[in-house]
Formats: sequence, structure tokens, C-alpha cells
Amino acid sequence: ELKVEQNPLFLSMQEGKNYTIYCNYSTTSDRLYWYRQDPGKSLESLFVLLSNGAVKQEGRLMASLDTKARLSTLHITAAVHDLSATYFCAVEEAWGYGNKLVFGAGTILRVKS
Amino acid sequence: NAGVTQTPKFQVLKTGQSMTLQCAQDMNHEYMSWYRQDPGMGLRLIHYSVGAGITDQGEVPNGYNVSRSTTEDFPLRLLSAAPSQTSVYFCASSSQQGITGELFFGEGSRLTVL
Repeated sequence: ELKVEQNPLFLSMQEGKNYTIYCNYSTTSDRLYWYRQDPGKSLESLFVLLSNGAVKQEGRLMASLDTKARLSTLHITAAVHDLSATYFCAVEEAWGYGNKLVFGAGTILRVKS
Repeated sequence: NAGVTQTPKFQVLKTGQSMTLQCAQDMNHEYMSWYRQDPGMGLRLIHYSVGAGITDQGEVPNGYNVSRSTTEDFPLRLLSAAPSQTSVYFCASSSQQGITGELFFGEGSRLTVL
């Protein structure tokens, strides 16, 4: 059974600082997704990582995937208050007729000005 | 483009009552799914469908029922509500049949069972 672990689960950081959120998973998968959720809102897709070594960047966020280490990272550069949200990683695994996503517990990010 | 639309956004039920959460998408997606979100547990798959007439169970299907008569709609039925079903429910769809791919989520339905 696939397990997905994120750490840290809570992150409080100052504006302008850098930090990394880690997503480890327990069985082989080549597909990993990062989502953002604002309080009381839906989930918004941030990155789709589909192969080993994949790297995607959008603004101050950069995600990477190492399928051999079963590890994805979400790196935050020079954090700003607007990045405060909960970030989820999700790993795709075979299930029934197709695949399903297994989500991590989420990392609550608070950026203090 | 509305995307994925869920109703209702909020609902309070008494134990034993039944209800249906509605989900509709206008993107012609084959894959649709229902997740529940509980604090500290991420999202867990309840049921999913890979096309009209084809549904299957997810990780936590007990107490829920689904059907898929059209590509657009995927309602989730709670048969006899229990306090353990208090949660936030998300409907999500994907363009890739049989493969999850990138999911597009609805706004969520917050359910409280007393």
C-alpha cells in the first residue's frame, strides 16, 4: 500500500526566506502532483511531475521529482505573504480500472511579514 | 467555463438521514471522483468513475453510493448518515480516461452529521 509523507506538516517562515517542503512516498511511481489549498477553498493544481528528474518552476515555487529516491521537493524562494496556504503532494498509483491519487497530509505554510 | 460544480456547499444532517451531494463538470472529462478531506489526513478517495456507466470503489467507500448515468454528472449518496461522515467532500475530474492525470477540483461540500 502506497504511503505518502510530507514534512514539515507546519511551516512558519519570514518573508524573504527560502525553504523546502519534502514529499516521500513508499512505492514506485513516476507521477507526482503538487496542489495548493487556501483556507476554506478548493485545491488548485500547481505542478505535474511525470518522470524522474522532472523540474517545474512557477514564480517563487520550484518542484522536482527523484523517482529513485521516491522523493519530491517543493522549494520556496524569497517567500511572500501570498504564498501562505496548505500544500499537498499526491502520488499516482494503480487502482481498479485506472489509477488514483494518494495524498500526503499537507503542509500548512504561514509566511509572516 | 464553470469547471466542476458541487452543491450544496454546506449541509447539516441528523444521524440516519440520507442525502445526495451533486457534482457536475462541463469539460467533457471521462474520469470523475469523490474525495473526503479530514484534518491531518489529506484527501482519501471514496468512489470514482472512468466513464458513463462505470464506477468503482476507492479507499473509503462504506456508507456511500454513486452512479454515473451521464458524462457530466457524478452524484454521491450518503445512505444513512453517521457522525464519522462529518467531513469536507470534493468532487474532481480528469480528462484522461482510466488514468488520473491532473485533477480539477470542485469548491467542496462541507457536511456535518449530528
